[in-house]
Amino acid sequence: QVQLVESGGGVVQPGRSLRLSCAASGFPLRDYGMHWVRQAPGKGLEWVALISYDGTNISFGDSVKGRFTISRDNAKNTLWLQMDSLRAEDTALYYCARGGRGLDSWGQGTLVTVSS
Amino acid sequence: DIQMTQSPSTLSASVGDRVTITCRASESFSKWVAWYQQKPGKAPHLLIYKASNLESGVPSRFSGSGSGTEFTLTISSLQPDDFATYYCQQYNTYPWTFGQGTKVEIK
Repeated sequence: QVQLVESGGGVVQPGRSLRLSCAASGFPLRDYGMHWVRQAPGKGLEWVALISYDGTNISFGDSVKGRFTISRDNAKNTLWLQMDSLRAEDTALYYCARGGRGLDSWGQGTLVTVSS
Repeated sequence: DIQMTQSPSTLSASVGDRVTITCRASESFSKWVAWYQQKPGKAPHLLIYKASNLESGVPSRFSGSGSGTEFTLTISSLQPDDFATYYCQQYNTYPWTFGQGTKVEIK
C-alpha cells in the first residue's frame, strides 16, 4: 500500500539549514505531484510546497518562498525539502503528501524545531 | 492568495447529531475543495475531494457540497470515531490554502 516516510527533522539554530527527506513506496512516484505541508505545535495545517510529477513545476507558500527548495528523484523514490535561513516560526511537524484527489496520502511527519 | 474561512472553530455535539461545517472562500471557484479529518497525534486523512466526492473507504455519513465561495462538510449522524478536527482546503490556485480547522467535541 501507499507509504510515505519522512526523515531529517531535528533541532537547529535560527539561520541554519536542514534537509528533509520523504521516502515513497507502494505506488509509482513518477506519476504524482508531491507536496510538503507543515503544522506548528497546537496549530492548523499550512501548505508549504509542491513539485510536479516530473519536477518541472514548483510552487511555494508565501512564508517560505526564497528560503526553501523542493526536489525529487523518481528513480530513488525520494522527495526532499531543503530549508535554509530557518526561523523560529518554521518550527513545525513537516508532512509529505501525495497530490492526487487533493492530498490523498500523508506520511507521519518529521519534527523540526528552530531554537537557539 | 485565496483565504478559506472555516466556521465554527469549535463545535460541541452528541452522538447521532447532524453536523455541518462551512468554509467560505475569498474568491469564487468551482469545485477544487478537499476536506480532511485529523485526530490527535495523527496525520490528516482525506475525506472529500472535488467538493463532493467521497474518498474510498470513508463512511457514507460524510458528505460535501458547494461551489463558488461556500463549501460545506456534513456528517449525517455523528459517531464516536468522528470526534476530531476537520480542515477544508482549496486546491484551485497556488498557493493552496487550508481553513483554520473545526474541532468537533463531545457535548
